[in-house]
Amino acid sequence: AQKVTQAQTEISVVEKEDVTLDCVYETRDTTYYLFWYKQPPSGELVFLIRRNSFDEQNEISGRYSWNFQKSTSSFNFTITASQVVDSAVYFCALSEAPFGYGGSQGNLIFGKGTKLSVKP
Amino acid sequence: DSGVTQTPKHLITATGQRVTLRCSPRSGDLSVYWYQQSLDQGLQFLIQYYNGEERAKGNILERFSAQQFPDLHSELNLSSLELGDSALYFCASSFGLAGAMDTQYFGPGTRLTVL
Repeated sequence: AQKVTQAQTEISVVEKEDVTLDCVYETRDTTYYLFWYKQPPSGELVFLIRRNSFDEQNEISGRYSWNFQKSTSSFNFTITASQVVDSAVYFCALSEAPFGYGGSQGNLIFGKGTKLSVKP
Repeated sequence: DSGVTQTPKHLITATGQRVTLRCSPRSGDLSVYWYQQSLDQGLQFLIQYYNGEERAKGNILERFSAQQFPDLHSELNLSSLELGDSALYFCASSFGLAGAMDTQYFGPGTRLTVL
C-alpha cells in the first residue's frame, strides 16, 4: 500500500540555520510522483515541487533544495539559511500513475506533516 | 493565489444539519478533488471529479456527496453532521484526468465547525 512517513513532527531552528525535512515513501508502482506542499499559519496549501520517479536529479530553487533517492525511498527537503517566513507545516505527498492512467486515480497520499518553527 | 476559490471561508453549524461547500477550479482545469484535513486523520482524499463525472473515491462517508457542474465548479454536500466532521475542507484542481501527471493546486479551504 502507498504510504508517506514524515518522522519529524516538529522542528525548531534559529533564523539562518539550515534545516532538512525528511520524507520516506512506500509504493509498489514503478511510476509515481512526489510532492511537497507548504501550509503557513494562514492555512492554505501551497505547492512547492513535483518530482516523477524517473527523474532522480536533485533540484534547487533559491534557498530550497530537494534530494530524491529511490534507493532509500526518500524525498528530503532542505531549506538553507532559514527565515521566519519559512515557519509553516510542510507536507510530503505521493501519487501513483497506474498503467494507462486514463480514467483512474491521481489523488495525493499525504504524510502527517512537519511543523517548522523558525525563531528570530 | 492558486486560482482555486472556495466559499465560504468559515462555516459554523449544529449537529444534524446539512451544509454545502463550493469550489471553483483554476481556469482551464477539468479535475476537481476534495480533501479533508482533521487533527486526528491528517489530510485525506475524499473524492475526484473530471469534467462532470466522478472518477475516484477515497475515504468519503455516505453522508457526504459531491458533484461537478457543467461550468466545472463543484459542490461538496455534508449531511447529518456530527462533531467529528469539524475539519478544514480543501478543494484542489488540476488540468487533466490523472492528478499524478498534473500538479494539484489547492484552494484556501473551508473551515467547518460543528457544534
